[in-house]
Amino acid sequence: QVQLQESGPGQVKPSETLSLTCSVSGGSITSAGNNWNWIRQRPGKGLEWIGYIYDSGKTYYNPSLKSRVIIAVDTSKNQFSLKLKSVTAADTAIYYCARELMQPSYRMDHWGQGTLVTVSS
Amino acid sequence: SSDLTQDPAVSVALGQTVEITCQGASLSSFYASWYQQKPGQAPLLIIYNKNNRPSGIPDRFSGSSSGITSSLTITGIQAGDEADYYCSSRDTSGFHVLFGGGTKVTVL
Repeated sequence: QVQLQESGPGQVKPSETLSLTCSVSGGSITSAGNNWNWIRQRPGKGLEWIGYIYDSGKTYYNPSLKSRVIIAVDTSKNQFSLKLKSVTAADTAIYYCARELMQPSYRMDHWGQGTLVTVSS
Repeated sequence: SSDLTQDPAVSVALGQTVEITCQGASLSSFYASWYQQKPGQAPLLIIYNKNNRPSGIPDRFSGSSSGITSSLTITGIQAGDEADYYCSSRDTSGFHVLFGGGTKVTVL
């Protein structure tokens, strides 16, 4: 059973870089057919897709965040990471990582529990 | 297209049936997946590939699709089904993930 766990600082100062890691257990991050996603949820709001990584390094990002986001993978640790630059209070959210399967259709079948990141000085 | 549209909220009497819809141009090309989110919890996949349920999801949850509209139906709703429900799919390029705005289901 695949499990995902987010980790990282719970508070980041404005203008700094938010950095989170998602640790994957029960399966290999290099398995074919899997996309590894980051999603966030601002307080009281809906789900917002941030981006995903696949094929051990290829990425797609939400166009609205693309200029500030980097998603990377560390296959030796079975982890993938999120960096979001130049954060503001609007980036305060619960951040989730999730595995997405592609066949027979796209779906995110395993999610981390989420981690709250607050942007505040 | 970059939008999936859901009604913000719906109320339904205990034991009745509710249909939640999701509209978007990309749904003519990609099936929606549906997620249930209860307060303080991560989203849970409940429907994918039009009308497939992951193991452990009750069969009172079902999905359908026609044109640019996908629907989630909860038949014989229970108090424990009170939650936010989100649809998700790809945009028309197929490369980007979309989420609907979510529908808050209240059980009366």
